[in-house]
Amino acid sequence: GDSVTQMEGPVTLSEEAFLTINCTYTATGYPSLFWYVQYPGEGLQLLLKATKADDKGSNKGFEATYRKETTSFHLEKGSVQVSDSAVYFCALSDRGGGYNKLIFGAGTRLAVHP
Amino acid sequence: EPEVTQTPSHQVTQMGQEVILRCVPISNHLYFYWYRQILGQKVEFLVSFYNNEISEKSEIFDDQFSVERPDGSNFTLKIRSTKLEDSAMYFCASSDRESTDTQYFGPGTRLTVL
Repeated sequence: GDSVTQMEGPVTLSEEAFLTINCTYTATGYPSLFWYVQYPGEGLQLLLKATKADDKGSNKGFEATYRKETTSFHLEKGSVQVSDSAVYFCALSDRGGGYNKLIFGAGTRLAVHP
Repeated sequence: EPEVTQTPSHQVTQMGQEVILRCVPISNHLYFYWYRQILGQKVEFLVSFYNNEISEKSEIFDDQFSVERPDGSNFTLKIRSTKLEDSAMYFCASSDRESTDTQYFGPGTRLTVL
């Protein structure tokens, strides 16, 4: 079945460092891809999405490009801040049933230090 | 900005007891979902709901689980006889007709079964 694999955390960075969190997926069709973020004590927030190959999703300085040839959707940010500390989840939307369910990766915890 | 809300934020119950977790989706949304996250594990799909019926459910969603939209605003998840392994964070999500694969999540209910 469809699945999502993320790099294991925690990822620890200094403020203003470059961030990459790797995400690869396995899917039989053409899923939409998402990054969700979970700040401490809060729920899952949609960070960005891409719906087809070569689309780039972006929000709050974060970017990810839907790469069909490498089945990847890596999250990047050029300069992280302490406030970016959170758990990041990569997910795909499985359209097989008509009503879309999300399949999540395991999550990657990011800790940014001043 | 509209948001999904969930109550209670934390529920503690004894094994074998019934629990009802409540969610208020975003008001113009038509598709509703429950997910759960056992501590340290992935976020897992439980069930999707549309037009007052279940549209898809996972193998986790057995006869002990049920969902209901008792009025125009609430969406509930009932567990009839809780087990220790039901301890998890339960997330409600909703989406609208135009973008059914973009789901907005509530803050979650942490269920602890003793």
